[in-house]
Order: sequence, then structure tokens, then C-alpha cells
Amino acid sequence: DAKTTQPNSMESNEEEPVHLPCNHSTISGTDYIHWYRQLPSQGPEYVIHGLTSNVNNRMASLAIAEDRKSSTLILHRATLRDAAVYYCMYQNNAGNMLTFGGGTRLMVKP
Amino acid sequence: DAGITQSPRHKVTETGTPVTLRCHQTENHRYMYWYRQDPGHGLRLIHYSYGVKDTDKGEVSDGYSVSRSKTEDFLLTLESATSSQTSVYFCAIRVGQNPSYEQYFGPGTRLTVT
Repeated sequence: DAKTTQPNSMESNEEEPVHLPCNHSTISGTDYIHWYRQLPSQGPEYVIHGLTSNVNNRMASLAIAEDRKSSTLILHRATLRDAAVYYCMYQNNAGNMLTFGGGTRLMVKP
Repeated sequence: DAGITQSPRHKVTETGTPVTLRCHQTENHRYMYWYRQDPGHGLRLIHYSYGVKDTDKGEVSDGYSVSRSKTEDFLLTLESATSSQTSVYFCAIRVGQNPSYEQYFGPGTRLTVT
């Protein structure tokens, strides 16, 4: 199983950066690391993914440890709309599906 | 918006009845997925499809069947609904090539089995 470990919840203040950690010690060399988030009463939403190098897009940045056993999703300025459950995952061995773990519930305070 | 719709959005049914949920996409993506989401379990993969008439099981496939007779539609059938299948069901498509891809999800179907 493609298991990851994330804190159950985190809190942040609005307009401050947020660093969401994820451990994936059993990841293999060719597995991409994916992050999704789920807002209340909505389907999961793609955030970002990467393999080895750090990645940036309009939503967030992904910092991947050199040994690839952990990664950090960075929201540069949290807004109230960023309050969601954030899931870190990677592909299973077949490479064609994602396994979702428990996720981190991010709460953003005004 | 990845052009994914699910129908119905809400359904209440009785134990023992068959139920079919529909996922429709407008962008001709090859891979489609069905997940269920339950409190305490996160999202779990039920079945997926990698082309017309090509499907495979996921982690929680017992009691479910799927069909894909055309690229745009992926149907999930509960052959005889049970209360344990009360859940929120999400369909997803895959965009991009393995191993670097993204999944985009539909709005979900809330199913209650009484």
C-alpha cells in the first residue's frame, strides 16, 4: 500500500505561510508525490505533484526532501478559502492509481 | 472545471435494490475512477477504467460492478444495495501520462441506503 503519514490537523493565521508536512518513507524512486485538497462538501481538488525537484504552481509550492522520504506543501499566504483537508499521496506499484490517506485538516483563523 | 458530471447527486434507496450511478466526462480522457468516501476512511478506490470495456478492481470492489461502453461514461452499479454502501461516491478522470498525471474529481453523489 502507498501509505503516507500526515498530522491530523493544523492551524494557521490568515495571510501567513503554511507548511504542511508529509512522510512517505516507503516511496520508490519513480513514484510521483501528489497533493490534493478537499473543501467542505466538494470533491477533492488537485493541488500539485512532483518527483524530485521542488515544484511551484499558482496554488502552492512543493518541497521534496533530498531522500524523497518526506515532502512539504507550502501555501505562501493562507486565506480563509484554503481551509480544507489536504491529502498527500503517491502512486501504488501499478502506477495507475492513487491511495488517499487520512489527510491534514487545515484551519485558517482570520 | 474538467467537465465531469455525476448523476444523480443525491439518492435514497432501500436495501436490496440495484442502484446505478453515472459519471460523464466531456474531454475523452482514457482513465476514469470511482471512489467512495466515508468518515474515518478517507477516499477509497472502488474500480477504475483504462479504456472502453477495460476495467479493473480497486481496494473496495466487493458489491460493486462497473461498465464503460463509451469513453465519456463510466457507470457504477450496486448490485444489491446494503446499508454499508451508504456513502459519498466520487468519480475522477486522469489527465496526463503515467507516471506524471493529475486526477480531477466530480462533485460527488450522496447515496443513502435505508
